[in-house]
Amino acid sequence: NAGVMQNPRHLVRRRGQEARLRCSPMKGHSHVYWYRQLPEEGLKFMVYLQKENIIDESGMPKERFSAEFPKEGPSILRIQQVVRGDSAAYFCASSPPAGTDTEAFFGQGTRLTVV
Amino acid sequence: GNSVTQMEGPVTLSEEAFLTINCTYTATGYPSLFWYVQYPGEGLQLLLKATKADDKGSNKGFEATYRKETTSFHLEKGSVQVSDSAVYFCALRGGGTSYGKLTFGQGTILTVHP
Repeated sequence: NAGVMQNPRHLVRRRGQEARLRCSPMKGHSHVYWYRQLPEEGLKFMVYLQKENIIDESGMPKERFSAEFPKEGPSILRIQQVVRGDSAAYFCASSPPAGTDTEAFFGQGTRLTVV
Repeated sequence: GNSVTQMEGPVTLSEEAFLTINCTYTATGYPSLFWYVQYPGEGLQLLLKATKADDKGSNKGFEATYRKETTSFHLEKGSVQVSDSAVYFCALRGGGTSYGKLTFGQGTILTVHP
């Protein structure tokens, strides 16, 4: 059973370009969470999604950031018109449906560098 | 809102030394508490957890006890190894919150020398 898969592992974008980060949850997991880790800081929750639904986006910046988890395919975190301050590691986690006694599992992250 | 505060790092120890990393939290209700470990270039791995007051989580020689009276969840290990060098994150999940929505501390870098 493969773990949470994120790609790419490293992404370099010039200021003003778009960044697309992908996350494939573990098999059987229908809930996805995105976190951002700024240099020398802890992880900050961004958004929680289920298939075709955004459940909680309280941590998402109001502009330029969006997330989706379509019926088919991976979850996508999209950052438009990137700026240097977007440089960070972005982690995805997945968990099974509620009611199962387990925890969320994290991917290895995508390290975004904006130049 | 919820918050987690970890002791300032980095922490540098010699092999076989005793480790304590302090963690205190603020939360409403009855949170679950976690320690995650992040090895260089990797994602986070769950190290241990405790879901109610006085529970002790343990794994790989690490322990932490959920102390509601002091709102703490300090991580301890009796004898560290070089392979324990990593970043350690304390985290909480609010009561009734979905599994993956966590509040993290800022992380503590641990370096263990031979």
